[in-house]
Amino acid sequence: AQSVAQPEDQVNVAEGNPLTVKCTYSVSGNPYLFWYVQYPNRGLQFLLKYITGDNLVKGSYGFEAEFNKSQTSFHLKKPSALVSDSALYFCAPPNDYKLSFGAGTTVTVRA
Amino acid sequence: IAGITQAPTSQILAAGRRMTLRCTQDMRHNAMYWYRQDLGLGLRLIHYSNTAGTTGKGEVPDGYSVSRANTDDFPLTLASAVPSQTSVYFCASSPARGGTDTQYFGPGTRLTVL
Repeated sequence: AQSVAQPEDQVNVAEGNPLTVKCTYSVSGNPYLFWYVQYPNRGLQFLLKYITGDNLVKGSYGFEAEFNKSQTSFHLKKPSALVSDSALYFCAPPNDYKLSFGAGTTVTVRA
Repeated sequence: IAGITQAPTSQILAAGRRMTLRCTQDMRHNAMYWYRQDLGLGLRLIHYSNTAGTTGKGEVPDGYSVSRANTDDFPLTLASAVPSQTSVYFCASSPARGGTDTQYFGPGTRLTVL
């Protein structure tokens, strides 16, 4: 089974600054990891996933994540945040037939 | 536009009433899921279906039932609604069962049980 931790409930950044949303994982075997985003009053949208291969995964809306085995991390990053990136972000490991979602990290980008 | 539709968008329901939340996908995905989202608890799986004709229980199945008569539709029924079922409900689908498949989510149904 896999589990993840998002250590920050909230992240606040200024528009134009780099954005990082942290995720650490615990897994036996090969990890599979997803990032999803939920904009206000919307359903979840897939951003990117790590299955195997390159440790740097590029996703939607200019986001990327780096899989770091030694630090057991899969942090989501964006070089220059936009106000429209304000949303709830979920790092989700799949466990058998489902994705396991925690409470997520709320990102607020101020103008 | 391909995707998942859910109906209704929102509903206020009296306790004890029966309610069916509808979910339809046009991507010909085999697997479908129902989640509920509650503040501070993330998303929790209610029921799932790996393929038409089969269903399974998730983390929080009590008080809910589902059916999967065909590939496209996956309705969720609350037989006798209770206030603790007040939540936002999301339907999702994926091409196949399995942890590595991307799930695609509908816009959600906000349900209030009074």
